[in-house]
Amino acid sequence: GEDVEQSLFLSVREGDSSVINCTYTDSSSTYLYWYKQEPGAGLQLLTYIFSNMDMKQDQRLTVLLNKKDKHLSLRIADTQTGDSAIYFCAETESGGYNKLIFGAGTRLAVHP
Amino acid sequence: DAGITQSPRHKVTETGTPVTLRCHQTENHRYMYWYRQDPGHGLRLIHYSYGVKDTDKGEVSDGYSVSRSKTEDFLLTLESATSSQTSVYFCAISEKAGGPVDTQYFGPGTRLTVL
Repeated sequence: GEDVEQSLFLSVREGDSSVINCTYTDSSSTYLYWYKQEPGAGLQLLTYIFSNMDMKQDQRLTVLLNKKDKHLSLRIADTQTGDSAIYFCAETESGGYNKLIFGAGTRLAVHP
Repeated sequence: DAGITQSPRHKVTETGTPVTLRCHQTENHRYMYWYRQDPGHGLRLIHYSYGVKDTDKGEVSDGYSVSRSKTEDFLLTLESATSSQTSVYFCAISEKAGGPVDTQYFGPGTRLTVL
């Protein structure tokens, strides 16, 4: 079945770049998403990429997509303490209704 | 922020009791979803709705039922709660199927503990 995998934890120093990686299985996914969850809150859509793109940049965020390897990454430049959160990768499940399949989430810890 | 509220926000109950969680939206979005979030599993879809009285099962629907009698409300019921249903439950809404403009907006979550 469809599956999304992520590493569970990443620790970076403030000001450095963070790279969060994700692999997925459904090659038919039209869009791939990154969501951010701050402590005690719901998920917020951070960014997304269309499957026919290989890169998308949005201010400090860069999304890279390697369709051949089914690998997605999120790079956060100049990481700040406010970026500390859990980041979820998600793909669209086949069958319609915009159902999403989420990875387990990567907890990003930013330290001084 | 999208107008989504969940109630209650926290609940502690005992094994075998029925529990109903409510999701209420003010956005008039057609699609609504219930997820559970557990460590190491991310979010898993329990049930979803694509209109009033139109619902279907998700990945982890066993032990759960839903109802949607109005566009704005989507109820999740645990008929007889078990300890394995201890989790954080999130409701999400979406305007229409397909495409990033149709992003899912999430509620604040309900933390349920079954003793």
